[in-house]
This record gives sequence, C-alpha cells and structure tokens, in this order.
Amino acid sequence: AQSVTQPDIHITVSEGASLELRCNYSYGATPYLFWYVQSPGQGLQLLLKYFSGDTLVQGIKGFEAEFKRSQSSFNLRKPSVHWSDAAEYFCAVGVGGGADGLTFGKGTHLIIQP
Amino acid sequence: DAGVIQSPRHEVTEMGQEVTLRCKPISGHNSLFWYRQTMMRGLELLIYFNNNVPIDDSGMPEDRFSAKMPNASFSTLKIQPSEPRDSAVYFCASRGGGQETQYFGPGTRLLVL
Repeated sequence: AQSVTQPDIHITVSEGASLELRCNYSYGATPYLFWYVQSPGQGLQLLLKYFSGDTLVQGIKGFEAEFKRSQSSFNLRKPSVHWSDAAEYFCAVGVGGGADGLTFGKGTHLIIQP
Repeated sequence: DAGVIQSPRHEVTEMGQEVTLRCKPISGHNSLFWYRQTMMRGLELLIYFNNNVPIDDSGMPEDRFSAKMPNASFSTLKIQPSEPRDSAVYFCASRGGGQETQYFGPGTRLLVL
C-alpha cells in the first residue's frame, strides 16, 4: 500500500526566508502527487500537483515542488515566505490515476517568525 | 462555482446520539470522497463514490458508520450511535471525471460528549 512521510511536524521560518518542506512517498508505480494547505479552521486548498512531465512544478502563492523519483521525494519550496503562509501543509499521493482516494502525510505545521 | 458545501459546520452531540453529516459536491463532479481528520491519525479516507456508487468503504471504521449518495448532488455520512472517539473534523471532497484533483469542502467539526 502507498504511504506518505512528512518528517517535520513543525518548522519555524523567519519572514522573508526561504522554505523547504519535505515529503517522501512509497508507491510501486509513478504516483500522482499533491501538496495541500490548510489554514486554521479551514478546508484544504490545493497548492500544486504532479502527474508527469517536467519534474519541477509551479503552484499558487509562489510555491513550487520538485519530483525526484530516485529519492521518492516531492519537496515543497518557496523562496521567500510571508506571514500569511503560516498554516498546515499536507503532502498526498493518489493512485489509480488519481481516481481513488488520496493518502496523506501527517502534515507539517509552518510557523512564521516576524 | 460555490465549491463543495458541507453542513453543519459544527456539531456537538452526546454519546449514543445519531449524527448525520451532509455534503453537496461541485456541480458536474462525479466522484465524492469522505475523509476524517484527527490529531492522532491525521487525514484518513473513509469512503468514496463514483457516479453515486460506493467504490471503496474499507476506511469506514466500523458498522456504526454508513454513507449514502442518493443522487449526484448530495451525500450523507451517518454515525449511529456516536461515541466520543468519533470526535474529529470530517471533510467531503469531489472530483470531476477525467480529472485528478480533489476539491475539499470546509469540513464539519464534530464533538461527541
């Protein structure tokens, strides 16, 4: 069965600094990979997704992620964070061409220091 | 588009009571998913439907949980009887045919006392 690991439960970053959130997945074939963001008390919003093609994908709010098959990773990056980026970030893998449900990581809580 | 709509947004009930959560998917979407979010277990898929038909309910924790999708624009998740350990945020998501992205509703925060 597929699985997703987000090794960092909490990350604290200064406003304006760069950010990288780690995600490792386990799946036998090429996965469909997603990053979602959840603000307090809100639902999940899609940041970006990878299915095939260019391994560097751009998303909303200035985020990008790079798929590395050799490392089974799909890390999320942002060159300069803003206070409004403080939230919970979830990496997820979809199987069956994304037709089945998503398997989520436990999430990384991002704290922004002024 | 209004997005995925869930009701109620908050529910407080007592142990043993029946709880019904409701979801309206995005118009035109033919797949619907129910997830549960807890601190201990994170986000878990409970069940999903394609074209109103339940495809995989292996994530439903026990027989106290049931889900229906009587038509393309409405689904319910019912817990009977409810228990304190059912306290969680329940999310509904929908996906259009041929698409891979799931769109999530705002969730229902359930507290069972």
